[in-house]
This record gives sequence, structure tokens and C-alpha cells, in this order.
Amino acid sequence: KQEVTQIPAALSVPEGENLVLNCSFTDSAIYNLQWFRQDPGKGLTSLLLIQSSQREQTSGRLNASLDKSSGRSTLYIAASQPGDSATYLCAVIGGSEKLVFGKGMKLTVNP
Amino acid sequence: DVKVTQSSRYLVKRTGEKVFLECVQDMDHENMFWYRQDPGLGLRLIYFSYDVKMKEKGDIPEGYSVSREKKERFSLILESASTNQTSMYLCASSFIGREDNEQFFGPGTRLTVL
Repeated sequence: KQEVTQIPAALSVPEGENLVLNCSFTDSAIYNLQWFRQDPGKGLTSLLLIQSSQREQTSGRLNASLDKSSGRSTLYIAASQPGDSATYLCAVIGGSEKLVFGKGMKLTVNP
Repeated sequence: DVKVTQSSRYLVKRTGEKVFLECVQDMDHENMFWYRQDPGLGLRLIYFSYDVKMKEKGDIPEGYSVSREKKERFSLILESASTNQTSMYLCASSFIGREDNEQFFGPGTRLTVL
């Protein structure tokens, strides 16, 4: 059974730092991996999707990488801002069409 | 822009009431999903549907049913609401069977059962 882990569960940093968020998964047979952002009391916003054939994807200050063989993905946030404060979740999808989520990492960026 | 909408942002119901949560997507997606999200437990899949009138149980289907009569609409039904169903409910949709089947979420419904 696929399991997705995000460590640490929470992170607090000063504004301007470059950040690396980690995600690991136990079964490397995935179609893709998706990173989401969730603000308090809101739904999930899709940030990046990396297909299994890809190594990384970029959107603005965000860069996500995927290493299927080692079961790892990282989300890199450049020059963090207070507006980046949110919970970040990663999720993987295999042949079942269903996403398996990590528990998320709560990020606080202090001005 | 992909849009997934949910009928209510906040809902308060009494124990024993029948509750309907509706979700509509405008991207012609085949797959639609209902999740609930609770502190410490993360997101858990209740039901999903890959086609009209087709459904599949997720991890926690007990106490819930679903209906998908049209491709764009997926309803979650709480037959007899109980206090342990107080939660945030999230709907999502995606294309089927593609590597780029990004899942898009609605804004969520915060349900309180008294």
C-alpha cells in the first residue's frame, strides 16, 4: 500500500530564505506526483504536477523535482515571502486513479 | 480556468438529518472525488466516480452515499447525519487515465452536525 510522508510537519522561517520541502513515497510505480497549497479553511490549490517521465517542473519561484527510483520529491521555494505561508501537501497517483496524500507541512514565513 | 464549485461553504445540520453536498466541474472531467479532511488525519477519500452512474468506494465510505447522474455533477449524501461527520468536505475532479491528470479541488464545505 502506497504511503506518502512529509517531514517536518511544520516549519517557521524568516522572509527571504530559500526553502526545500520534502516528500517521500514507498511505491515507485506512480503516474505522477502533485504538489498542492492549502490556506486555512480553504480548498487545495494545485501548484505543480510532475509526470513520472519528468524530473522536474517549474512555476515562478517554485521548482519541484522527482526521483522515482528513490521515492522522493522536493519542492523548492525561492526567496520566501509571508504570502507563502500555508500548508503544502504532496500526493502521488498510480494506476488506481486515486491520489494518496501526505499529511502536509505547515509553513510560516515571518516578515 | 478549471473550475470546481461546491454548493455551500458552510453548513450546519442536526443529527439525523439527510444532507446533500453538491459539486460541479466545468472541465468535462471523467473522474470526480469526494474527500473529508480532519486535523491529524489528513485527507481521506470517501467515494470516487469515473463515469456517469459509476462509483467506487474510497477509504471511508460508511455513512455516505453518492450520486452522479450527469458528468459535471457529483453529489455526496449523508443519509442520517451524525456528529462524527462534522468535517471539511472537499470535492475534486480530473481526467481519466492520463499522466497529466491533474486533480483540481473545490473550495470546500465546512459541515457542522449538532
